[in-house]
Amino acid sequence: EAQVTQNPRYLITVTGKKLTVTCSQNMNHEYMSWYRQDPGLGLRQIYYSMNVEVTDKGDVPEGYKVSRKEKRNFPLILESPSPNQTSLYFCASSLWPSGANVLTFGAGSRLTVL
Amino acid sequence: GENVEQHPSTLSVQEGDSAVIKCTYSDSASNYFPWYKQELGKRPQLIIDIRSNVGEKKDQRIAVTLNKTAKHFSLHITETQPEDSAVYFCAAYSGNTPLVFGKGTRLSVIA
Repeated sequence: EAQVTQNPRYLITVTGKKLTVTCSQNMNHEYMSWYRQDPGLGLRQIYYSMNVEVTDKGDVPEGYKVSRKEKRNFPLILESPSPNQTSLYFCASSLWPSGANVLTFGAGSRLTVL
Repeated sequence: GENVEQHPSTLSVQEGDSAVIKCTYSDSASNYFPWYKQELGKRPQLIIDIRSNVGEKKDQRIAVTLNKTAKHFSLHITETQPEDSAVYFCAAYSGNTPLVFGKGTRLSVIA
């Protein structure tokens, strides 16, 4: 089944404890992206990747890192999480780097930072 | 860069009535306008999209209209049903930056 898989789906952690949210797609998509969703703020882009080894900052990159060593994987790293990073995170991918094509979203990862 | 404004933020309609959600964009170079639906606890999913060479597109009970001169586009849902209750996001793509989303509209269809 074609899909974007995120893990973990739920996580409660404490301030400063490094964590990684994994994202993997099995559709051979070129483009991958991370969003955070907060009430009243919609979907805000954190980082995106047009292809392997190519990553760019989105609208809210502070406090996050990403890497794209393989086409299928695009992990989101929080080196030192803070409470303001408590949010619902979505990974998404699309076939081409152009934004003019369908985004397939993962199921979401709900992160709570205490 | 592109900026997308979406209104209203919440919308309640009676079952069977129509619902309209409006978005405006700032970059006149934008040429692709998708709409995503996010049901409670689920992921966003594309429901309809329109490109700048088309003024209107329809798919059963949903339609999207685009006014390039005024730089706005709208989602129309007719004969609303309880399963239409969700958060709807508009978005715009100009080619200069990645896809930009509006802040979302929470639609409630009251039976």
